[in-house]
Amino acid sequence: LAKTTQPISMDSYEGQEVNITCSHNNIATNDYITWYQQFPSQGPRFIIQGYKTKVTNEVASLFIPADRKSSTLSLPRVSLSDTAVYYCLVVPTSGTYKYIFGTGTRLKVLA
Amino acid sequence: SAVISQKPSRDICQRGTSLTIQCQVDSQVTMMFWYRQQPGQSLTLIATANQGSEATYESGFVIDKFPISRPNLTFSTLTVSNLSPEDSSIYLCSVRTDSNQPQHFGDGTRLSIL
Repeated sequence: LAKTTQPISMDSYEGQEVNITCSHNNIATNDYITWYQQFPSQGPRFIIQGYKTKVTNEVASLFIPADRKSSTLSLPRVSLSDTAVYYCLVVPTSGTYKYIFGTGTRLKVLA
Repeated sequence: SAVISQKPSRDICQRGTSLTIQCQVDSQVTMMFWYRQQPGQSLTLIATANQGSEATYESGFVIDKFPISRPNLTFSTLTVSNLSPEDSSIYLCSVRTDSNQPQHFGDGTRLSIL
C-alpha cells in the first residue's frame, strides 16, 4: 500500500485559494487518489477522488500529474468553515481495499 | 451515499469492563471497517468486518481484545474488551459498497475510561 506524505499544517485567510499537495511515490497502476475532510467530533467526509489529470466537483478540484506520484487538492475561496483536517489517501481498487491514513494536513482558515 | 449510524455516540466506562459499539447502515454493503482514532491523531484501521466469516485484523489488534460481529449486510458490532485508559479513543465504522466507490464513515463513538 502506497504511503502518503502531506504537510502537517497550513494557514490561510478567508477568500483565498488553498492548495494542499500530497506525495505518493509508490502508487500502483490501479490505485485511486482520494481526499477526505474531517471536522472535530465527526467522521471523515469524502471530498473528491481521481485517477489522473483533473477532477472537479462542487467543493474542490484535484490535480494529478502524468506520473501520478503526487496530487494537489485545491479549495477555491476558503471560508472559516473549511478549517479542518484534510487526508490524502491512495486507495486500492483490488485486493483488501484497505485505507491507510497518513497524518493529514490541519488547515486553519483565518478571518 | 450510505447513511451510517453509530451507537453510542459517547460513553464513559470503568476499567476492566467492556463496551459494544453498534454500526447500522441504511443499505446493504459488502465491506465494513472499524477504525480507532486516538486524541489528536490520524485514523488506524482495526479490522475489516466480513459478512458470514471471521473479521480480518490488522497488525497490533487481536480478536480477544476487539471481537467483531457482522451478522448481515447492514450491521456490525465492535466490542472493546477489558478496558484500560489506553483504550480512550474514538472508534469509527466505515462502509464501502464496491471497489470504485469511496468509504463512507460514521461519526464515531467517543470512549473514555475512568
